[in-house]
Amino acid sequence: DAGVIQSPRHEVTEMGQEVTLRCKPISGHNSLFWYRQTMMRGLELLIYFNNNVPIDDSGMPEDRFSAKMPNASFSTLKIQPSEPRDSAVYFCASSSTPTTGEQFFGPGTRLTVL
Amino acid sequence: DAKTTQPTSMDCAEGRAANLPCNHSTISGNEYVYWYRQIHSQGPQYIIHGLKNNETNEMASLIITEDRKSSTLILPHATLRDTAVYYCIVRENSWGKLQFGAGTQVVVTP
Repeated sequence: DAGVIQSPRHEVTEMGQEVTLRCKPISGHNSLFWYRQTMMRGLELLIYFNNNVPIDDSGMPEDRFSAKMPNASFSTLKIQPSEPRDSAVYFCASSSTPTTGEQFFGPGTRLTVL
Repeated sequence: DAKTTQPTSMDCAEGRAANLPCNHSTISGNEYVYWYRQIHSQGPQYIIHGLKNNETNEMASLIITEDRKSSTLILPHATLRDTAVYYCIVRENSWGKLQFGAGTQVVVTP
C-alpha cells in the first residue's frame, strides 16, 4: 500500500502564476481532504470530498483557490493567481468513510510563492 | 475557539513512558477524543481515539477520565522516533472536522 501520494513535493513559483497540486488517495477510500499548514495558522482544513463530490469548502480562503476530484483516484488543488501569502505546506488526506476520524495524510507539498 | 488545551512542550527520556495530558472540559456526549502526531516534515499520523473507555493499540494507550473532561496519551516506552508534535482533538463521529490546535512538542532525549 503506497499510502496517499502527493505531487510535486516542492514547488517554487512567482506571484501571479498558476499552481496545481495533485493528490492520489488510498485505493478504496471514499473521502478526501485538503489541508494547509502555516506557522501562523497551523493546520487548516480547506475542502472535503466524499465520493468525489465536494461536501464542505468553507475553508477555501478565496476564489483564487479551487479543487476538483474528477474520479476516485485523483484530486487537484489549484491556485490562480498565486500570491506570496499562499506559501505553505499543503496536505492531502483520505479516509475510508466520511464519519471516521482516522485520516491518512500524504507527505505534503511545500509551496513557495516568490 | 479551541476545544482542547495541551502543554506547549515536554521532554521525555528514551525508554521511559511519556504521559501527554489534554484538557477538554467542554466536550459533549457525542464527541470523541482523537490523538494525532506530526513528525517534522511529515504529514500528521493517526494514533488512537476513544469515547469513554480507555483504549490501547500498538502505538499508545488513551486514558479518559470518568467525567471526560481530560485525557492522557501514554507512549509506554518512548523512543527517539517519537519526537513529534502531538495533537489532541475532540470530534463528533458523524461528519466532524479534525480541528488541529497547536499541540504539544514532545522531545525524546537519549
